[in-house]
Amino acid sequence: GAGVSQTPSNKVTEKGKYVELRCDPISGHTALYWYRQSLGQGPEFLIYFQGTGAADDSGLPNDRFFAVRPEGSVSTLKIQRTERGDSAVYLCASTSRPNTGELFFGEGSRLTVL
Amino acid sequence: GENVEQHPSTLSVQEGDSAVIKCTYSDSASNYFPWYKQELGKRPQLIIDIRSNVGEKKDQRIAVTLNKTAKHFSLHITETQPEDSAVYFCAASTTGGGADGLTFGKGTHLIIQP
Repeated sequence: GAGVSQTPSNKVTEKGKYVELRCDPISGHTALYWYRQSLGQGPEFLIYFQGTGAADDSGLPNDRFFAVRPEGSVSTLKIQRTERGDSAVYLCASTSRPNTGELFFGEGSRLTVL
Repeated sequence: GENVEQHPSTLSVQEGDSAVIKCTYSDSASNYFPWYKQELGKRPQLIIDIRSNVGEKKDQRIAVTLNKTAKHFSLHITETQPEDSAVYFCAASTTGGGADGLTFGKGTHLIIQP
């Protein structure tokens, strides 16, 4: 399909483990965002990429979280030494018009840290 | 940073009646206000948005109003239908949805009673 694709859809891991979450944005969308949505809450901004560079990473909660987008398309969110509080749905969104248009969200990756 | 408050957290209306969801924001520099609909287990999808140079916008059964002086905006759904049942999120941005991402409210669970 032509939408934003995220993998895995579900990830269960143990506390202290490392996880990677992948986002394939809509083709041609230069802007890419990661959000985190906890149960019963609205999405919380984590990081914004314009092309290959992280234009705004002010939402990353701490240095255990890192994201890359090496070729300006696919992005990977990396979480080190996972904690139970990291459990949430991680949403990726993309847009071709970051200052004027809507965000197209993926279905999300549900992370559960035991 | 921006803070968005959303009320009510749950709203139950009879099918065919109107529903109103209200949001306030704190940053007077915010200039873009989208509304997203999220069905259970699905991705958030944009249903309507408004920019700060407009006071009201309508699209069929949904409308959004903005009061910049009071820093609040509202979503109005008329002639509600069962398929309107979902969680609705308001959001605000100072860059038109761009570099700082969107700040979301906590959501309103809209229930349409048959």
